[in-house]
Amino acid sequence: GENVEQHPSTLSVQEGDSAVIKCTYSDSASNYFPWYKQELGKRPQLIIDIRSNVGEKKDQRIAVTLNKTAKHFSLHITETQPEDSAVYFCAAQRGGNKLVFGAGTILRVKS
Amino acid sequence: DAGVIQSPRHEVTEMGQEVTLRCKPISGHNSLFWYRQTMMRGLELLIYFNNNVPIDDSGMPEDRFSAKMPNASFSTLKIQPSEPRDSAVYFCASSRRGDNSPLHFGNGTRLTVT
Repeated sequence: GENVEQHPSTLSVQEGDSAVIKCTYSDSASNYFPWYKQELGKRPQLIIDIRSNVGEKKDQRIAVTLNKTAKHFSLHITETQPEDSAVYFCAAQRGGNKLVFGAGTILRVKS
Repeated sequence: DAGVIQSPRHEVTEMGQEVTLRCKPISGHNSLFWYRQTMMRGLELLIYFNNNVPIDDSGMPEDRFSAKMPNASFSTLKIQPSEPRDSAVYFCASSRRGDNSPLHFGNGTRLTVT
């Protein structure tokens, strides 16, 4: 089955700097890669997703890149702000199968 | 759209007691998922349903856990008997069935078993 590895487990950046979180997946047939943000005590919420026919997608300060050959995808947050502090989860899905999550990255933005 | 609704938000119970968690998916969503979240194990998929039918329950930790979905708008996760190691946040999520459908999470139930 699918296995998703996420790095780093924790990440501290200075406000205004960029943050990058990386994930690798094992199932070459996976074709959907969402990212979720979970603030303390709250539910995970979808922030951006990318499908396998696209190499990059951007939404304001957030971007995701996908390298299908290498089977990895990354989340990029530019001009980080304190409210970006949260746990971020990547995930991968093949067809209509279950979504497999990475272990999460705790992002701290220091002001 | 009220989103995925879970109840209760918090549950504190004693070891050995039965616990029932409830979930109402988003109307029109026909896939429903139960996740458990702990610091040690992260987000674990326990079971999921498509069109009210359990598809994969390989994540259910043991026979003490059971889940049902009697209709398209309601699901339960039951733990009997509960144990302290079951303490976690349990999330229900729903999506439209099919490729690449975003998952929508409920607010979760924080379970504490003493």
